[in-house]
Amino acid sequence: GAVVSQHPSRVICKSGTSVKIECRSLDFQATTMFWYRQFPKQSLMLMATSNEGSKATYEQGVEKDKFLINHASLTLSTLTVTSAHPEDSSFYICSARADREFNIQYFGAGTRLSVL
Amino acid sequence: DAKTTQPPSMDCAEGRAANLPCNHSTISGNEYVYWYRQIHSQGPQYIIHGLKNNETNEMASLIITEDRKSSTLILPHATLRDTAVYYCIVKNSNSGYALNFGKGTSLLVTP
Repeated sequence: GAVVSQHPSRVICKSGTSVKIECRSLDFQATTMFWYRQFPKQSLMLMATSNEGSKATYEQGVEKDKFLINHASLTLSTLTVTSAHPEDSSFYICSARADREFNIQYFGAGTRLSVL
Repeated sequence: DAKTTQPPSMDCAEGRAANLPCNHSTISGNEYVYWYRQIHSQGPQYIIHGLKNNETNEMASLIITEDRKSSTLILPHATLRDTAVYYCIVKNSNSGYALNFGKGTSLLVTP
């Protein structure tokens, strides 16, 4: 299957700092990428849809000024958590849609963010 | 997207077949059934998908009932590494929207 690389896998930061997470599709082009968040013992929650060359679409309740998404190329989307606080500590997962015909999404390995 | 219902948890002995059911009684004609799994602290992994015919790949088999209101994911010879949360998702294949994950089935494969 298609490969999606996500970096870093784990980050620990102080409250108030910003953290950037990268999501790359390694062997395919992805017009659309998605960002999810997962809290302990819960399912994945969609945060935003990232479209190459245009503004991201955020889900209700997700602050666009806090979670900045940039999708500058067909293989790279970035999520920046600005002024992170302890409540932003979570598991962040990106995915990319590789097969338009069957709508298959391939996922990165996730980023564990811990804000102290 | 049609709603899906899965049992919250299941156990399976190592080496035996794991049969994971999914109910999707409101599925519409152009919606596919997708299966993903998430091993602890990893991103979800695509397993298989189907429309109405049974499907098989190197990971699993997908059996869809004739009325398409339910399906079963079969792991023919479960291993300890198959312990994960399995998600059944119904979605229009042409939709550009993201997959929505429910609670899934937590499968525990025991020695």
